[in-house]
Amino acid sequence: DTGVSQNPRHKITKRGQNVTFRCDPISEHNRLYWYRQTLGQGPEFLTYFQNEAQLEKSRLLSDRFSAERPKGSFSTLEIQRTEQGDSAMYLCASSDRSSSYEQYFGPGTRLTVT
Amino acid sequence: QKEVEQNSGPLSVPEGAIASLNCTYSDRGSQSFFWYRQYSGKSPELIMSIYSNGDKEDGRFTAQLNKASQYVSLLIRDSQPSDSATYLCAVPPSGSARQLTFGSGTQLTVLP
Repeated sequence: DTGVSQNPRHKITKRGQNVTFRCDPISEHNRLYWYRQTLGQGPEFLTYFQNEAQLEKSRLLSDRFSAERPKGSFSTLEIQRTEQGDSAMYLCASSDRSSSYEQYFGPGTRLTVT
Repeated sequence: QKEVEQNSGPLSVPEGAIASLNCTYSDRGSQSFFWYRQYSGKSPELIMSIYSNGDKEDGRFTAQLNKASQYVSLLIRDSQPSDSATYLCAVPPSGSARQLTFGSGTQLTVLP
């Protein structure tokens, strides 16, 4: 059973640069979520996809953030014009079609903006 | 008031003892409750889910839910040093599209 995978695992970028992260969910899962976690805090919800449709976005997701899930498989999260405050762990999770809310997380992408 | 609150700890227990972790939530409409374990530098791992009032046991873990009092707890019996981690309580708010709201976590240390 292959779990959620994320790439890259670490990203260091200079302020003002654009970055893109990829998430591959568990193969039979049609729901995909992005969260952001900073030190000492729990993950904060960013956005949610059901298949290819982006159904919900947090107010945390500023105009510099965009997420896609073409064809309902993998997803990408892009941050434009990065700021130091964007430094965090970006987590992807997926869940299946059942009515449960059980979400399974990938290993995360740690972003450092210098 | 935070939507999901946990004691941040740190909580220290000796090996073999019972560790008790608590969580309160503000949304009375919430129906599902989850506990995640997160080792330092790693991502959260789902360890327990509970949907009905009462207790749910899985190995050394027991989740307890009291919807009237809006709290959910996690008991870890026979605690082991390998249980040392941050434990996150997560609740999907009623009316949400399945997003989870997390507490800030309780850091547990099991002393050998």
